Amino acid sequence: GDSVTQMEGPVTLSEEAFLTINCTYTATGYPSLFWYVQYPGEGLQLLLKATKADDKGSNKGFEATYRKETTSFHLEKGSVQVSDSAVYFCALSEGMGRGSTLGRLYFGRGTQLTVWP
Amino acid sequence: DTEVTQTPKHLVMGMTNKKSLKCEQHMGHRAMYWYKQKAKKPPELMFVYSYEKLSINESVPSRFSPECPNSSLLNLHLHALQPEDSALYLCASSQPGQAYEQYFGPGTRLTVT
Repeated sequence: GDSVTQMEGPVTLSEEAFLTINCTYTATGYPSLFWYVQYPGEGLQLLLKATKADDKGSNKGFEATYRKETTSFHLEKGSVQVSDSAVYFCALSEGMGRGSTLGRLYFGRGTQLTVWP
Repeated sequence: DTEVTQTPKHLVMGMTNKKSLKCEQHMGHRAMYWYKQKAKKPPELMFVYSYEKLSINESVPSRFSPECPNSSLLNLHLHALQPEDSALYLCASSQPGQAYEQYFGPGTRLTVT
């Protein structure tokens, strides 16, 4: 079945450091890929998405590229801030041809990011 | 506007109480979801409504009873819960057929005593 594997955390960085959070997936079809962020005490916010191979999603300085050949969707940011401290979830949803699943999301385990000033 | 609202924000209930969680969205989405999230874990899917009909029940105990009165509202009725049901309950919505991106509410933090 479909699944998502995220790098283990926690990740601790100094402000302005470069961030990479690895995410790989297993899917039988053509999934859409997402990164969600969860700040302490809050719900999940959609950070970025990509719906087909080679698409690059970007938002708030974060980027991720849908790599079909390596089945990966790694999250990157060139210079993190203290305000980026949160839990990041990689997720996939089956592609347009699998409508019967009603957009079931498969989440990775989540990666806790802490950024120190 | 990509807002999903949930009430209440916090809820403490005893094991014999009956309470309800509410969720509302005004994005015109026709799919709505309930998730349960324990600390330091990803959300776990509980129920999916599509066009106001229950489409997926992930073998959730009957003490949780969902309801979708109309396309904008989703309720979760709670009765005779157990302490292990304490968690963050998240509502989400999406528009079927559009990359299946889901928009989440802020959640209700439930404590069962």
